[in-house]
Amino acid sequence: QKEVEQNSGPLSVPEGAIASLNCTYSDRGSQSFFWYRQYSGKSPELIMFIYSNGDKEDGRFTAQLNKASQYVSLLIRDSQPSDSATYLCAVKLSGGSARQLTFGSGTQLTVLP
Amino acid sequence: DTEVTQTPKHLVMGMTNKKSLKCEQHMGHRAMYWYKQKAKKPPELMFVYSYEKLSINESVPSRFSPECPNSSLLNLHLHALQPEDSALYLCASSQEVGAGDTQYFGPGTRLTVL
Repeated sequence: QKEVEQNSGPLSVPEGAIASLNCTYSDRGSQSFFWYRQYSGKSPELIMFIYSNGDKEDGRFTAQLNKASQYVSLLIRDSQPSDSATYLCAVKLSGGSARQLTFGSGTQLTVLP
Repeated sequence: DTEVTQTPKHLVMGMTNKKSLKCEQHMGHRAMYWYKQKAKKPPELMFVYSYEKLSINESVPSRFSPECPNSSLLNLHLHALQPEDSALYLCASSQEVGAGDTQYFGPGTRLTVL
């Protein structure tokens, strides 16, 4: 079992819809969770981080964390074609060094005009 | 300001060349990282520096040699690379060790080994 799993997609949504990206992790002791957006050929860009159970909203983005079920999700409301990118879920696993992030394989999102 | 800069943006080198990648941050971060990313794969951690000391080496071949001259700079020296080392090399930095340690990435150096 991979430590951090994401559906690789591709996920396609129409413009204006809600895009839902999901991530599960294996280490129940994990404490920090991050979402990065990566455009093709570019570097990962931090979108959000979340540490506590529940929802965290930032503009059109909402991160949701459920530690009991060991999943974290990212919702993108009013999706725009400019949101088309690969979204990487990253987790600070409790078993490894505090400095290490474990990345999922990424979900490719396409927002159709 | 969450800017991490990297130079050069692109690098093409032969297998016998020696080159260096540079990374700089002025956010006062005390941890800096090198990652390697192949196409359609997530970033793979190579090295971690904390307070200018190498703290993690993820079994990276010796043809990659990191250096941290001061708390703002991180170099990656390259020598006798192989074509399979062609990838996007990413530098990142974070403030401190801890659960809330957020890493910020630079734009990367696209390396091609001929």
